[in-house]
Amino acid sequence: EPEVTQTPSHQVTQMGQEVILRCVPISNHLYFYWYRQILGQKVEFLVSFYNNEISEKSEIFDDQFSVERPDGSNFTLKIRSTKLEDSAMYFCASSETVWENTEAFFGQGTRLTVV
Amino acid sequence: KQEVTQIPAALSVPEGENLVLNCSFTDSAIYNLQWFRQDPGKGLTSLLLIQSSQREQTSGRLNASLDKSSGRSTLYIAASQPGDSATYLCAVRLNSGYALNFGKGTSLLVTP
Repeated sequence: EPEVTQTPSHQVTQMGQEVILRCVPISNHLYFYWYRQILGQKVEFLVSFYNNEISEKSEIFDDQFSVERPDGSNFTLKIRSTKLEDSAMYFCASSETVWENTEAFFGQGTRLTVV
Repeated sequence: KQEVTQIPAALSVPEGENLVLNCSFTDSAIYNLQWFRQDPGKGLTSLLLIQSSQREQTSGRLNASLDKSSGRSTLYIAASQPGDSATYLCAVRLNSGYALNFGKGTSLLVTP
């Protein structure tokens, strides 16, 4: 069964460093998303991406964050200068369309630890 | 802003019981609602999606209902098994956007 793949599964970085989280969405999906879950809290929406453009972003997704689809298969989230509070599980998701009957499928997540 | 609340926060039942998980949302202008399962330290697995025009959806032992006007959804799990132990998340998508708004989840433990 097709799945969303995320790498790495766990990343530790020093405060102030840049990190890039990588995702391979399901191959025929056109819409891509990043979410995060701080330990013990809700899953929160960061950004959605379609046709090489951001289609929606939350207040969390400030200038420190950026997304890119560098080739036909990868979708990345970059955090330019990490802060302690960026420590969270980051989930990539994709969907075939944005129609009412379309599910979003999530990856296994990347646990980011900022020290 | 859409607020999604799930009750109870945690639930422990003996194997074989039928159970109901509750989800409520404040903005009834929803596009669809999705139930997910999350195992500890793992990703989210989609269980069921209900469109705003639907009243319920079924998949195996799972049945999800939606009452948009009252801002409620329930996930019914029949004949629970220890393998059902996980956190169950409700997520709502509004008409106005692409984002899923999640509840905090219900942590379910099914004991043998």
